[in-house]
Amino acid sequence: EAEVAQSPRYKITEKSQAVAFWCDPISGHATLYWYRQILGQGPELLVQFQDESVVDDSQLPKDRFSAERLKGVDSTLKIQPAELGDSAMYLCASRRQGVSNTEAFFGQGTRLTVV
Amino acid sequence: LAKTTQPISMDSYEGQEVNITCSHNNIATNDYITWYQQFPSQGPRFIIQGYKTKVTNEVASLFIPADRKSSTLSLPRVSLSDTAVYYCLVGERLTGGGNKLTFGTGTQLKVEL
Repeated sequence: EAEVAQSPRYKITEKSQAVAFWCDPISGHATLYWYRQILGQGPELLVQFQDESVVDDSQLPKDRFSAERLKGVDSTLKIQPAELGDSAMYLCASRRQGVSNTEAFFGQGTRLTVV
Repeated sequence: LAKTTQPISMDSYEGQEVNITCSHNNIATNDYITWYQQFPSQGPRFIIQGYKTKVTNEVASLFIPADRKSSTLSLPRVSLSDTAVYYCLVGERLTGGGNKLTFGTGTQLKVEL
């Protein structure tokens, strides 16, 4: 069964350092989402791609976060510099088409701890 | 923006039926209603999706009244392994294409023996 792959699973970094997360969506999925989930809260959408284009990054802290999906396939989310408040689970999800009646598939996430 | 409101938590016992209701007063005409389940330290997993009336699959049923301003996820005969957070989502179309998936706080379901 196809899965959304994310790496690394766990990351510990010092504040002010740069950190990057990688996501490989299910093949053929045009829509890709990055979420941040703080413990005890629901996932918060950071950025959404349709193929290689960003269609929503209204909640992305653009002074320190960046995301790209250059070839419309895999994607990278970067934080520079990391802050203590960035400690969270970062989830990637993909969807077959940009319509509302298909399910989104989530990866296992990357657990980031900033010390 | 079609926001959703759900109970923060629910408790149940093994073998019982659990119904979790979600309100979405501002749902748009073309929006589907989707429910996800999330276990600790895992990504959310799709449970069921519907547009109107009733939808049933191997794990749950989804009831949607005619006005579509609410929906109820029904889990028949829950077990300990159903202890998880359940999220109700309503799709929001974006100008650039695709649908936004906005999660609320979810409902923490705890199933006991």
